[in-house]
Amino acid sequence: GDSVTQMEGPVTLSEEAFLTINCTYTATGYPSLFWYVQYPGEGLQLLLKATKADDKGSNKGFEATYRKETTSFHLEKGSVQVSDSAVYFCALSGGNQAGTALIFGKGTTLSVSS
Amino acid sequence: DAGVIQSPRHEVTEMGQEVTLRCKPISGHDYLFWYRQTMMRGLELLIYFNNNVPIDDSGMPEDRFSAKMPNASFSTLKIQPSEPRDSAVYFCATRTQGNYGYTFGSGTRLTVV
Repeated sequence: GDSVTQMEGPVTLSEEAFLTINCTYTATGYPSLFWYVQYPGEGLQLLLKATKADDKGSNKGFEATYRKETTSFHLEKGSVQVSDSAVYFCALSGGNQAGTALIFGKGTTLSVSS
Repeated sequence: DAGVIQSPRHEVTEMGQEVTLRCKPISGHDYLFWYRQTMMRGLELLIYFNNNVPIDDSGMPEDRFSAKMPNASFSTLKIQPSEPRDSAVYFCATRTQGNYGYTFGSGTRLTVV
């Protein structure tokens, strides 16, 4: 069935370091792909999305490109800040099985120190 | 817009008791989803509704769980009887047709002792 796999954390970085969080997916059809962020004690917030192959989603310095050939949607940021410390979730929707619902990866905890 | 409103924010109950979690969706959002988050299993879809009708409840773990959406502005997730392994954060999320703008509530942290 439709699924999302993302790298396990925690990821620990120093401020201004480069960030990559890997995400791959399995889905039939043409899913849309998302990155969500969860700060401690809060719900999930949409960070960015891409709805078709080769689309690049971007927001707040984060970027991810929808790669159909490698079934990937890796999250990157050139220079992380302490305030980026959170849990990041890769998700898909609209695959033949997932349908309307969001299917999430397990989440990756990012910790940024100054 | 107040966003998706969930209540209560925290719930502590004893094993065997009935628990009811509530969600008020954003006005005009015709899809509503219930998710459960645990350290072990991550975010799991429990059930979702479209126009108040349950579409997919295959994620509901057992008969102890039930969900309703009596109208467009209210949904409940009930656990009866509750068990310690039900302890988790339960999220409600909503979206509109043709728009992938899912909005999540702040969640209900349930602890069953």
